[in-house]
Amino acid sequence: GDSVTQMEGPVTLSEEAFLTINCTYTATGYPSLFWYVQYPGEGLQLLLKATKADDKGSNKGFEATYRKETTSFHLEKGSVQVSDSAVYFCALSEGYGGSQGNLIFGKGTKLSVKP
Amino acid sequence: GAVVSQHPSRVICKSGTSVKIECRSLDFQATTMFWYRQFPKQSLMLMATSNEGSKATYEQGVEKDKFLINHASLTLSTLTVTSAHPEDSSFYICSARTGTGSSQPQHFGDGTRLSIL
Repeated sequence: GDSVTQMEGPVTLSEEAFLTINCTYTATGYPSLFWYVQYPGEGLQLLLKATKADDKGSNKGFEATYRKETTSFHLEKGSVQVSDSAVYFCALSEGYGGSQGNLIFGKGTKLSVKP
Repeated sequence: GAVVSQHPSRVICKSGTSVKIECRSLDFQATTMFWYRQFPKQSLMLMATSNEGSKATYEQGVEKDKFLINHASLTLSTLTVTSAHPEDSSFYICSARTGTGSSQPQHFGDGTRLSIL
């Protein structure tokens, strides 16, 4: 079945450092890809999404490009802030069949940014 | 836009109690709502998917008689944990989606921390 693999954390960075969180997927169809962020004690917030190959999602300085050839959707940010500390989840939405639209999540990567 | 409100945010109750959690889409109509369970330091586990006016579809291993889901309108879904026991203690999160199709994002509530004593 479809699955999402993302790099295990925790990731600890200093403020203004460059961030990359790797995410790869396996899917039999043409999924849409998402990054969600979860701040402590809260639900998930959609950070960005991409719905087809070569699409780039971006929001709040974060970017991720849908790479079909490498089945990847890595999250990047050029300069992180303390307020970016959270858990980041990569997810795919199955593109067809009875489970269309159901999200499959990676295990999450905890990011801690130190001042 | 796309705000999902989940209530209550925290519940502490005795074993054997039934607990109802509400999930509302405040500014959009949700054709589909999802209920997840999240264990500490783990990812979200989909429990069930509900479409307005029809019975929920439960994931394998989730007891439908234990976790009752009602999706009575396009803006409200409820999850009732019946006769809760300590092993039901967890973080429950709902999400809602408008329209169909894999490109439509799910919008999440802030979750409910359930603690059964």
